[in-house]
Amino acid sequence: SQQGEEDPQALSIQEGENATMNCSYKTSINNLQWYRQNSGRGLVHLILIRSNEREKHSGRLRVTLDTSKKSSSLLITASRAADTASYFCATEAQGGSEKLVFGKGTKLTVNP
Amino acid sequence: DTGVSQNPRHKITKRGQNVTFRCDPISEHNRLYWYRQTLGQGPEFLTYFQNEAQLEKSRLLSDRFSAERPKGSFSTLEIQRTEQGDSAMYLCASSSGRGAAFFGQGTRLTVV
Repeated sequence: SQQGEEDPQALSIQEGENATMNCSYKTSINNLQWYRQNSGRGLVHLILIRSNEREKHSGRLRVTLDTSKKSSSLLITASRAADTASYFCATEAQGGSEKLVFGKGTKLTVNP
Repeated sequence: DTGVSQNPRHKITKRGQNVTFRCDPISEHNRLYWYRQTLGQGPEFLTYFQNEAQLEKSRLLSDRFSAERPKGSFSTLEIQRTEQGDSAMYLCASSSGRGAAFFGQGTRLTVV
């Protein structure tokens, strides 16, 4: 079963605009990760935020985590056409299992 | 190329045939994961290994599915008596511990 739920399912913006994607999850976690997937390809790890962190930055990416609301957001600033892809959040639950549980993803289209 | 390698990239098979996929992880990674992804969905966990030990299996992994990692290096995923519902992208990932997973490009299986 999929724990994470991304919102929105699809997002279309113009180049240069910011894109915000949200993720909600159900159980207590060790960490939450964001991945990117270009059509028909494998997933690329973008950023990991641990349960005791609230915000993290990496280049044009900013991730926030609110464990009280069991939610996270991914902000891509100054988007580019090359950012067009599907973005997934994945959670590693507390309690031993090392598997990642993925959401259904947000399909981002950045129009030139 | 020192990334995760999966072979074959594409496989078309007739219903009822057996298929085997191979995954070569990043050499220093001791953890290896298999996921399955269908169109429009996020990856779903199938199983994972720490070295040669298979530590967790999803209920999705019916008795027609078997995975091995004989020497703690490469892994194989075999599907026996394939069904049309097995058509999906099969993704392999590896990691050196809890945290970011590095994915291969996947094997796309089509059962006709």
